Amino acid sequence: NAGVMQNPRHLVRRRGQEARLRCSPMKGHSHVYWYRQLPEEGLKFMVYLQKENIIDESGMPKERFSAEFPKEGPSILRIQQVVRGDSAAYFCASSPRDRAYNEQFFGPGTRLTVL
Amino acid sequence: AQKITQTQPGMFVQEKEAVTLDCTYDTSDPSYGLFWYKQPSSGEMIFLIYQGSYDQQNATEGRYSLNFQKARKSANLVISASQLGDSAMYFCAMRDDSNDYKLSFGAGTTVTVRA
Repeated sequence: NAGVMQNPRHLVRRRGQEARLRCSPMKGHSHVYWYRQLPEEGLKFMVYLQKENIIDESGMPKERFSAEFPKEGPSILRIQQVVRGDSAAYFCASSPRDRAYNEQFFGPGTRLTVL
Repeated sequence: AQKITQTQPGMFVQEKEAVTLDCTYDTSDPSYGLFWYKQPSSGEMIFLIYQGSYDQQNATEGRYSLNFQKARKSANLVISASQLGDSAMYFCAMRDDSNDYKLSFGAGTTVTVRA
């Protein structure tokens, strides 16, 4: 049973470009969470999605950031017009429907570097 | 608001000895869960152990045990018989029922195991 998969593992973008980060949850998991880790800090919650629904995006910056989890395919975190301050590790986690409130299984993260 | 405090930015431990990582938390919700994650230099987040606020016994998982002192709001992680592979960053995290899907993370503690 493959774990949570994220790609790419490393992403380099120039200021003003778009970054797309993908997350495939574990098989059978229908809840996805995105977290951001700035250098030397712990993870900060960004957004919680279920299939085709955004449940809570209170941790997402109001502009330039968006997330989706379509019926088919991976969850996507999209950052438009990236700035240097967006450089961070972005982690996706998933949990199964019947244990949504316990374990969250994390992917390996995508490290975004904005030049 | 939730708050997780890890006061030890870095620790050194001799191989085969035990080490205790401190974590205190603050919440007004009587129902909550506490987690510990390991982040090695490769960057992925590895789930170690979970403690529910109503659990009567301290959680244990192999060499990991959680010293849960509810009245003091502390959830210290004990790693017994340290191994070189235990060298990593360790994060304490909490979920409470008012935000039953968000994990709030501490700033982390770096553990270095010496041979």
